[in-house]
Amino acid sequence: AQTVTQSQPEMSVQEAETVTLSCTYDTSESDYYLFWYKQPPSRQMILVIRQEAYKQQNATENRFSVNFQKAAKSFSLKISDSQLGDAAMYFCAYRRDDYKLSFGAGTTVTVRA
Amino acid sequence: NAGVTQTPKFRILKIGQSMTLQCTQDMNHNYMYWYRQDPGMGLKLIYYSVGAGITDKGEVPNGYNVSRSTTEDFPLRLELAAPSQTSVYFCASKRHAGANVLTFGAGSRLTVL
Repeated sequence: AQTVTQSQPEMSVQEAETVTLSCTYDTSESDYYLFWYKQPPSRQMILVIRQEAYKQQNATENRFSVNFQKAAKSFSLKISDSQLGDAAMYFCAYRRDDYKLSFGAGTTVTVRA
Repeated sequence: NAGVTQTPKFRILKIGQSMTLQCTQDMNHNYMYWYRQDPGMGLKLIYYSVGAGITDKGEVPNGYNVSRSTTEDFPLRLELAAPSQTSVYFCASKRHAGANVLTFGAGSRLTVL
């Protein structure tokens, strides 16, 4: 069974600074997809960034980037130039097969003004 | 375009009561999912559907039932509410098997007392 581990329950960052969220996963598959979702206080889940395992290049979306280490089964999210609106819970997710995503327990990010 | 709409947003139930959480999407997505999110935990898959008339169990289906009579609607029913079902419930959808992006509803907070 695939599992997703987020070892940081909470992270705090100063506005305009950078924070990195860690995620590791366990899988025996070679082709898969990884995602980071953001859940603000409104509770709606928002896709932040995704990474295809067959791509060596790390995905980037504006201030959000990932460090994908396939051999280490690691998928960290870096938020650069943090903004107050980045405060939320962030979930790492692994696409298990055609239908299902496995989620980590989440990391709550607090942004200090 | 409303996306995924869940109702109600909040509900308090007594032990043993029944209720249905409604989920509707207007994007003509074939795949629909119900997740629950417990405090400090990631999302766990309850049930999913790959198309009208087809449903299947996820990781934590006990105590729940679903139906998929139309492409748009995927209601989740709790027959005999228990305190262990106190959670936030998310409905999500995606267009087809190969699609990597899930669209989530805003969530429904259920408390069973």
